[in-house]
Amino acid sequence: AQSVTQLDSQVPVFEEAPVELRCNYSSSVSVYLFWYVQYPNQGLQLLLKYLSGSTLVESINGFEAEFNKSQTSFHLRKPSVHISDTAEYFCAVKPYGQNFVFGPGTRLSVLP
Amino acid sequence: DVKVTQSSRYLVKRTGEKVFLECVQDMDHENMFWYRQDPGLGLRLIYFSYDVKMKEKGDIPEGYSVSREKKERFSLILESASTNQTSMYLCASSLEKWTGVFEAFFGQGTRLTVV
Repeated sequence: AQSVTQLDSQVPVFEEAPVELRCNYSSSVSVYLFWYVQYPNQGLQLLLKYLSGSTLVESINGFEAEFNKSQTSFHLRKPSVHISDTAEYFCAVKPYGQNFVFGPGTRLSVLP
Repeated sequence: DVKVTQSSRYLVKRTGEKVFLECVQDMDHENMFWYRQDPGLGLRLIYFSYDVKMKEKGDIPEGYSVSREKKERFSLILESASTNQTSMYLCASSLEKWTGVFEAFFGQGTRLTVV
């Protein structure tokens, strides 16, 4: 069965510093990859997704993620974080024809 | 924009009560899901449905049931609420065609407390 690992449960970082949130998944079969963000007491919102094509995908608010098939990874990065990026981030994979599998989440805390 | 609406943001229920959580989506999605979210455990799938009147058990269906009488509505039922069902419940919908796959869209969540 597919599984998703997010090794860091919490990541504190100072404002304007770069950040990387790591995501690895278990299977090398064809999957679609997603990052979701959750602000306190809200549902999940899609941040970015990889379906096919270029392995580097970007969001409108400066995040990017790179699909690495050989390492089965989909790490999320931002070169300079803001206080407003404080949230919980979930990596998810979806093999075609199967259900989504979510990682346990990484809580990003941006410090002033 | 796709909208997934959960009927309540916060609920407090007593042990043993029958609890209904309602979810409605407005984009004609075939697939609907119920998850519960607990600290450190991420999202766990309770039930899902790929079509009207169709339901499938997820990873943790015990103590729950669902109903999907109309395509846009997916209800989660706690037959007899217990304190270990205190959690955040998230509904989601998605559309999957043979030509591709689309992301899941989530409701705002219902935080249920069973006392």
